[in-house]
Amino acid sequence: DIQMTQSPSTLSASVGDRVTITCRASQTISNWLAWYQQKPGKAPKLLIHTASILEGGVPSRFSGSRSGTDFTLTISSLQPDDFATYYCQQYNAYSWTFGQGTKVEIK
Amino acid sequence: EVRLLESGGGLVQPGGSLRLSCAASGFTFGNYAMNWVRQAPGTGLEWVSGMSGSDGSTYYADSVRGRFTISRDNSKNTLYLQMNTLRAEDTALYYCAKQPSPYYYDRGYFDSWGQGTLVTVSS
Repeated sequence: DIQMTQSPSTLSASVGDRVTITCRASQTISNWLAWYQQKPGKAPKLLIHTASILEGGVPSRFSGSRSGTDFTLTISSLQPDDFATYYCQQYNAYSWTFGQGTKVEIK
Repeated sequence: EVRLLESGGGLVQPGGSLRLSCAASGFTFGNYAMNWVRQAPGTGLEWVSGMSGSDGSTYYADSVRGRFTISRDNSKNTLYLQMNTLRAEDTALYYCAKQPSPYYYDRGYFDSWGQGTLVTVSS
């Protein structure tokens, strides 16, 4: 299976900060990567697919990019509603796998 | 509006069985691949199983292959997960999740999720 290594596991930030979360794939997955946001007690919500395509209704402060097997989720200006846990997911191979998650906390 | 409603979770002893259901509405169920994703308490997400809407092909994580069976009834707009020989490590919240494609191997991300049903395996 393809392993997804996400970092950091926890991130402390303030409202207005620029936040970057990284996900590294154990082998090439082209652009077949999605990002999700999960709040406590809620189901995950799709933010980005195909590495950089924003899902409808997702604020434009969220963006995704790829460099080789490294993928990045960026929040340009952190808002109070953005404090949550974020997961990456690869869908290149038939067995989909998630990163371990990054919890974005209030500093 | 897409709605996915899971049911069937509960407390079961190790070695026991359980069948989960996911009732879908707000879209043409048979036209989309569907999946089960689980989340053990306080941990991350783990894909469990998927099924195409088009040809009925099925896929499983190594951790459940041979013990779990995914199926669907397109006439009832319902997805199922039959879980046998349950283990303590199967304890988790089980989510039903929709792909934006009829084929499991195409666009394998999840654009809609249910709220989950909790499975607890304990003696």
